[in-house]
Amino acid sequence: DAGVTQSPTHLIKTRGQQVTLRCSPKSGHDTVSWYQQALGQGPQFIFQYYEEEERQRGNFPDRFSGHQFPNYSSELNVNALLLGDSALYLCASSLGLLINTEAFFGQGTRLTVV
Amino acid sequence: QQQVKQSPQSLIVQKGGISIINCAYENTAFDYFPWYQQFPGKGPALLIAIRPDVSEKKEGRFTISFNKSAKQFSLHIMDSQPGDSATYFCAARTLNSGGSNYKLTFGKGTLLTVNP
Repeated sequence: DAGVTQSPTHLIKTRGQQVTLRCSPKSGHDTVSWYQQALGQGPQFIFQYYEEEERQRGNFPDRFSGHQFPNYSSELNVNALLLGDSALYLCASSLGLLINTEAFFGQGTRLTVV
Repeated sequence: QQQVKQSPQSLIVQKGGISIINCAYENTAFDYFPWYQQFPGKGPALLIAIRPDVSEKKEGRFTISFNKSAKQFSLHIMDSQPGDSATYFCAARTLNSGGSNYKLTFGKGTLLTVNP
């Protein structure tokens, strides 16, 4: 079981550019949640995908968007990058329909905006 | 809006000592309280978790104490080891707005250093 895998592991982008981050959930999981972790802070909920739909969004602007594919993998897109978007982006997978399973996290993608 | 408050921000303990990290919450909709351990460059990993109808849960050297009336819970690490040096996050779980899935709200984290 490969667990939750994210790609790429590191990324450097220029302010104003767009970026796409990818996540493959743990085998058997169907729900993907994305979190932003700024340096020295706890993870902040961005949004969650289940059945290829965004189920809930945290307090993030529309520049942050996502997608879930039929195989449950997910992408996080960020447009018009700002310096403040520099952070570790974490993907967590779990089971939907309120099945009581734990959320498993990937190792994250470190995004640096210069 | 920080819904889960965690303290202290950092903690230094000698090997063999007890590490204690505290968290408090306000939202009574939280129904599950996990603790995560994060090493540099890694994602958070589940350490131990508790439900609000239980006052204490112990797994090896790790214990969660839960006070539902005070809306507080804490992590105790007994016989702390240098390998325990990491950042610890408390979290609280609630339903998403559609009621289909759970989501987590995290504290800001505690950087634990265990000196040999």
